[in-house]
Amino acid sequence: TQLLEQSPQFLSIQEGENLTVYCNSSSVFSSLQWYRQEPGEGPVLLVTVVTGGEVKKLKRLTFQFGDARKDSSLHITAAQPGDTGLYLCAGGLGGGATNKLIFGTGTLLAVQP
Amino acid sequence: EAQVTQNPRYLITVTGKKLTVTCSQNMNHEYMSWYRQDPGLGLRQIYYSMNVEVTDKGDVPEGYKVSRKEKRNFPLILESPSPNQTSLYFCASRHRSGLLDTQYFGPGTRLTVL
Repeated sequence: TQLLEQSPQFLSIQEGENLTVYCNSSSVFSSLQWYRQEPGEGPVLLVTVVTGGEVKKLKRLTFQFGDARKDSSLHITAAQPGDTGLYLCAGGLGGGATNKLIFGTGTLLAVQP
Repeated sequence: EAQVTQNPRYLITVTGKKLTVTCSQNMNHEYMSWYRQDPGLGLRQIYYSMNVEVTDKGDVPEGYKVSRKEKRNFPLILESPSPNQTSLYFCASRHRSGLLDTQYFGPGTRLTVL
């Protein structure tokens, strides 16, 4: 059973456009992370959000954790070709030292120049 | 530089031939994991270790073994590989302190089992 659903699965846009990627679950997470993975490399952590309703900004990227801590969104403003990659969300289950990360299936973003 | 290294990066082998994928981190992290990444299935945890000599099964442990004799190393062992273990494998090292939770991934090992 896939606990984290990401949408859309694929997204191809032109440079300068805005986009939003969604990460949804029926489970409540203690934290939510977003990663970007480029071809031939491992995922790289972009942000961790831990409070319901929390919003974090990283340059042109805005991350939001849902009020009920079951969902999250990633919004990119004025996308650039360098934003191309696989975006993964990961929810933290359980507390303390045994906190486990569950990964979504990813959103593959292609930004055309 | 904070780093997780894996070797080899690419491996083609045959069914039943034992292999080991090495993983090393230089951040003195206690928590390390192995994941496999397959199209449409995302990243799934194989095994994890919370400290030296402490390992536990993840979501897909069948056919794999791990060991954690030193904090920096966490090798993944396939005693008798099968074609369904063809995948992209990632080692990860994780640091948690209060609200800070950071996981670093290695560059990946692409394994093909014929």
